[in-house]
Amino acid sequence: GAGVSQTPSNKVTEKGKYVELRCDPISGHTALYWYRQSLGQGPEFLIYFQGTGAADDSGLPNDRFFAVRPEGSVSTLKIQRTERGDSAVYLCASSLFRSTGELFFGEGSRLTVL
Amino acid sequence: ELKVEQNPLFLSMQEGKNYTIYCNYSTTSDRLYWYRQDPGKSLESLFVLLSNGAVKQEGRLMASLDTKARLSTLHITAAVHDLSATYFCAVDSRGGATNKLIFGTGTLLAVQP
Repeated sequence: GAGVSQTPSNKVTEKGKYVELRCDPISGHTALYWYRQSLGQGPEFLIYFQGTGAADDSGLPNDRFFAVRPEGSVSTLKIQRTERGDSAVYLCASSLFRSTGELFFGEGSRLTVL
Repeated sequence: ELKVEQNPLFLSMQEGKNYTIYCNYSTTSDRLYWYRQDPGKSLESLFVLLSNGAVKQEGRLMASLDTKARLSTLHITAAVHDLSATYFCAVDSRGGATNKLIFGTGTLLAVQP
């Protein structure tokens, strides 16, 4: 597609449940990023992929969070045993490798944990 | 660890006035980005600044970068209501090696008629 696509746009779940958030980057963009944005805050880095591998996962808050990108295109962010503090907007972005570094963001997935 | 600070955090201004938003960062980097975010929407890229002394202008907005001072400014000229949004600066934490951006906390701009 023309832009970064994220699904679902909204997800409401109960505490303790498992959640998957999907990101489809701009065609041809080899770099993919996940950020988390809480209300009134700037986006917080979670993980970065270059191709299929996670080049930097230093922002993942704990081992309940995991992300994959098996074929170097679509990525899935997985959250196990969700907690109320996980409620946020999860933003995905993509960019061209060795480019200006400009990130192109999707509309985000709003996660609410009850 | 790279830290990015913006000020002010909130700016209420009248239409027609000028103002500047400041972005300071804590470690060396020569790549800085400005984004705009409307309520409930995603981030829209405004400016990409890739060297010391870089200046970019688009309409009523002008951004500049001083890498020696670790400072970027976003100047608003003759503000209009349509500019009301939250503005974020972001710094490349590794000088372009990974495009991993660290964002500031944002400046909420409200332009009053």
